[in-house]
Amino acid sequence: QKEVEQNSGPLSVPEGAIASLNCTYSDRGSQSFFWYRQYSGKSPELIMFIYSNGDKEDGRFTAQLNKASQYVSLLIRDSQPSDSATYLCAVTSYTSNTGKLIFGQGTTLQVKP
Amino acid sequence: DAGVTQSPTHLIKTRGQHVTLRCSPISGHKSVSWYQQVLGQGPQFIFQYYEKEERGRGNFPDRFSARQFPNYSSELNVNALLLGDSALYLCASNLGGYSNQPQHFGDGTRLSIL
Repeated sequence: QKEVEQNSGPLSVPEGAIASLNCTYSDRGSQSFFWYRQYSGKSPELIMFIYSNGDKEDGRFTAQLNKASQYVSLLIRDSQPSDSATYLCAVTSYTSNTGKLIFGQGTTLQVKP
Repeated sequence: DAGVTQSPTHLIKTRGQHVTLRCSPISGHKSVSWYQQVLGQGPQFIFQYYEKEERGRGNFPDRFSARQFPNYSSELNVNALLLGDSALYLCASNLGGYSNQPQHFGDGTRLSIL
């Protein structure tokens, strides 16, 4: 079992729709959760982070965390073609004491005009 | 403010050679981490440094080494290059290296091994 799992996609949504990206993790000691966006040929860009159960909103983005079920999700409202990218879920664990990010393989999002 | 800067942006080497990649963190950030990203995969953790000390090491062979300097910049060295070392090498920095502090990535160095 991979430590962090994401559906590789592609996830295709029409412009203006809500895109829902999901991520599950295996280490119950995981404490911090991050979403990065990566455009083709570019480096990852931090868009959201969440530490506590529940929802965290920032503009069109909402991160949701459920530690009991070991999943974290990212919702993108009013999706735009410029949101088309690969979205990487990353997790850190206090038990590792290194702060290293453990990434999923990423979900490719395609927003069609 | 400048973000994380990496150099060079691209590099082509042949098998068996050695390479040094460089990274300067965001001003005020004391921790630097290195990741390797191969096509189609998420980044894989290689090293983390904080205050010049190695804080963590990923599952990479001893051919990979790194260090951090007093100004918090860092170098990643890879010896005896293999074809499989072809990847995007990413440097990330955060304030103190703690797991709850977001890491910000540089543009990366794309390494191609012929």
